[in-house]
Amino acid sequence: SAVISQKPSRDICQRGTSLTIQCQVDSQVTMMFWYRQQPGQSLTLIATANQGSEATYESGFVIDKFPISRPNLTFSTLTVSNMSPEDSSIYLCSGTGVVGTEAFFGQGTRLTVV
Amino acid sequence: SQQGEEDPQALSIQEGENATMNCSYKTSINNLQWYRQNSGRGLVHLILIRSNEREKHSGRLRVTLDTSKKSSSLLITASRAADTASYFCATVNSGYSTLTFGKGTMLLVSP
Repeated sequence: SAVISQKPSRDICQRGTSLTIQCQVDSQVTMMFWYRQQPGQSLTLIATANQGSEATYESGFVIDKFPISRPNLTFSTLTVSNMSPEDSSIYLCSGTGVVGTEAFFGQGTRLTVV
Repeated sequence: SQQGEEDPQALSIQEGENATMNCSYKTSINNLQWYRQNSGRGLVHLILIRSNEREKHSGRLRVTLDTSKKSSSLLITASRAADTASYFCATVNSGYSTLTFGKGTMLLVSP
């Protein structure tokens, strides 16, 4: 198993600003992912964070809005850029060891944009 | 887009009762997983069932999978107040490596 430390746990941000969320895994994971979860809703995959290369984004999400880095196998960041109130959500990172098996999650970042 | 549809959306029971949640999906899968989420926090993996398995147990959890009906169920026996949480099914589709989550069931277990 793996433990993922995610920070910040919550933040209140002004519209038009950017926030960077960090995830640190205590062991190497093969794949890392970023999700968004709007209040009372399910998780939507934003992108797969690829080590040393550009992330793979899902439909509806673009790099300019959600730049992602993954410099090594245990660390990744997600930036929410030029924020608007519609970006208010919980953002979660996750990692997996063996592809397609159990995923481990960070505790989430509760973002409120005012 | 969501692959799984859980029902019920919300379930309220008393401690000691059993809770059953169902999940349906649309495409062929490699495996199906169940996760628990407490109060908008991180998800915790509960159990994984592969497409060639029909039933799996883990402690008080029992999961079934019917690939012909594209459905799964999660049974929690002898529920406790600490089981209060949202439960999500998630599928790994054949040929892919990402999880697709259903809409979730909110379970409330009252003492």
